[in-house]
Amino acid sequence: QVLLVQSGAEVKKPGSSVKVSCKAPGDTFTSYAISWVRQTPGQRPEWMGKIIPILGKTDYAQKFQGRVTITADKSTRTAYIEVTSLTFDDTAVYFCARDRPAVAGHFDYWGQGTLVTVSA
Amino acid sequence: DIQMTQSPSSLSASVGDRVTITCQASQGIGTFLNWYQQKPGKAPQLLIYDASNLEMGVPSRFSGSGSGTDFTFTISSLQPEDIATYYCQQYDDLPTFGGGTKVQSK
Repeated sequence: QVLLVQSGAEVKKPGSSVKVSCKAPGDTFTSYAISWVRQTPGQRPEWMGKIIPILGKTDYAQKFQGRVTITADKSTRTAYIEVTSLTFDDTAVYFCARDRPAVAGHFDYWGQGTLVTVSA
Repeated sequence: DIQMTQSPSSLSASVGDRVTITCQASQGIGTFLNWYQQKPGKAPQLLIYDASNLEMGVPSRFSGSGSGTDFTFTISSLQPEDIATYYCQQYDDLPTFGGGTKVQSK
């Protein structure tokens, strides 16, 4: 079992930023990618982007280009997603998931999810 | 983006029933399709990858088939623990998910 552990729930004001973390086992960082997927209540999951930690290479969904940054700290085996200029529409559960390095889209292990609430 | 359309959006079935869900892609995706199960408050769980391959540890009552634009997901004999929402997801292009099928108990 591969355990991805995410940071806790956040409440943010519109216009602010949020940074969510995802701690992964060592082999995930050296051999896999980590993708970020968010899900608003009652809606389908939405892929946001991914990082190959050993290379630092990132890919983003076009919708989030310029507003989302994914990073990875190899020393702590932790991946991060930062979302800026938050709006009410960014209220969602944010998941990290282990992914294949070559092609995004094989999410075989997931974090527990982090609820981000954007509220005035 | 490749659009994924699932049907039905919800269904009711009894324990032991055969359940079938379909997923249609807006363009051909080969067999670059996965199926996930999601229970309330939990992350999705990968069940089927590459259209028809059973993920390790997943019961054999789950199966998938199809290629190109049309795919099918089947539960051969519904069990109580299968009550959940199911999503298809393509990865021929950047990943996109279907709208989900909520499987409820009749």
